[in-house]
Amino acid sequence: AQKITQTQPGMFVQEKEAVTLDCTYDTSDPSYGLFWYKQPSSGEMIFLIYQGSYDQQNATEGRYSLNFQKARKSANLVISASQLGDSAMYFCAMREGTNNNDMRFGAGTRLTVKP
Amino acid sequence: GAVVSQHPSWVICKSGTSVKIECRSLDFQATTMFWYRQFPKQSLMLMATSNEGSKATYEQGVEKDKFLINHASLTLSTLTVTSAHPEDSSFYICSAIMGQMNTGELFFGEGSRLTVL
Repeated sequence: AQKITQTQPGMFVQEKEAVTLDCTYDTSDPSYGLFWYKQPSSGEMIFLIYQGSYDQQNATEGRYSLNFQKARKSANLVISASQLGDSAMYFCAMREGTNNNDMRFGAGTRLTVKP
Repeated sequence: GAVVSQHPSWVICKSGTSVKIECRSLDFQATTMFWYRQFPKQSLMLMATSNEGSKATYEQGVEKDKFLINHASLTLSTLTVTSAHPEDSSFYICSAIMGQMNTGELFFGEGSRLTVL
């Protein structure tokens, strides 16, 4: 069963505007971590932001914030003040449990920032 | 942040040959490394979990004899694609953990693009 769902294959945003990339997840484990990674065309995976299942506050890292809605099992990424360099693939990922170290990825969303 | 390096970045080989891809943690000891495979315009699919000094744990559907993983030291894991065929052409990415994975402590290599002719 798909554990991480990203329903937006592609998104467009105007430069300097904000954009939300959707991510929903499925787990029965009360302890889990949610991650967002950026993958530019060069291929490397760049860590953006992390949200733990027990975290009370939504995670923020600079222009990135995570809209964590636990009851809905959603962890949307919000990018504010988009820049041309933000154009890339974005992957949502989840790690379940405290000792299970593997990470599962969503299908990804390709973001294109328009000048 | 911590650095994970993969080599080679690009490799083209003939069908039937074997290809070795290295994944090194340059400034930390990685007890666990992961190997992912990514087809064009698709997500990363976990292939196997590699623990130093023990046999790798493969995901369902991944052929152990096809994708040989060796994690002989705390800083090096290798993936060998044996008797490669065109369908093995893909982007292979390794990642490494420094300690227990918690707040994003999973560091990725640059990836290796394999093309089998």
